[in-house]
Amino acid sequence: EPEVTQTPSHQVTQMGQEVILRCVPISNHLYFYWYRQILGQKVEFLVSFYNNEISEKSEIFDDQFSVERPDGSNFTLKIRSTKLEDSAMYFCASSVHNTGELFFGEGSRLTVL
Amino acid sequence: AQSVTQPDIHITVSEGASLELRCNYSYGATPYLFWYVQSPGQGLQLLLKYFSGDTLVQGIKGFEAEFKRSQSSFNLRKPSVHWSDAAEYFCAVPVRGGSQGNLIFGKGTKLSVKP
Repeated sequence: EPEVTQTPSHQVTQMGQEVILRCVPISNHLYFYWYRQILGQKVEFLVSFYNNEISEKSEIFDDQFSVERPDGSNFTLKIRSTKLEDSAMYFCASSVHNTGELFFGEGSRLTVL
Repeated sequence: AQSVTQPDIHITVSEGASLELRCNYSYGATPYLFWYVQSPGQGLQLLLKYFSGDTLVQGIKGFEAEFKRSQSSFNLRKPSVHWSDAAEYFCAVPVRGGSQGNLIFGKGTKLSVKP
């Protein structure tokens, strides 16, 4: 069964460092998303991406964040200068249509020290 | 403001017993409604969805949910729980006026299953 894959599964970084989280969405999907879950808190929407551009972003997704689909298969989330509060599980998701039926990856746990 | 409330943080049921997980939403209209499940170490998986029509919807793994407009609820049920159902369950609605993929999740209900 096709699935969304994410790498790395866990990354530890120092505050102020740049981090890139990678995702390979399901191949025939058109919509791509990043969500995050801070430990003990809700799963929160960060950004959606369609037709090679951001279609929607949340207040969390400030100038420190960026997304890219560099080669037609990967979908990346970059955090330019990490803060302690960026420590969270980051989930990539994709969907065929824009209906909320999302397929999630297993997540990348980011720990900022 | 929109919200999704799952009033039960943690529920324990015996294997074979029935299950109902509660979800209430505040939306202002009839939204799309979703239940997702997250098993330990895994990503979220869609269990079922309500878009319109029949208010009782069937999902995967023997789960069903009933939309009740008058109560703004979308409770998840299963007649007989299996040990493999132990997981965290999330109710979700799309942000109103936004992309349907921009989901607001509840805080989740963790389900433990006793042998």
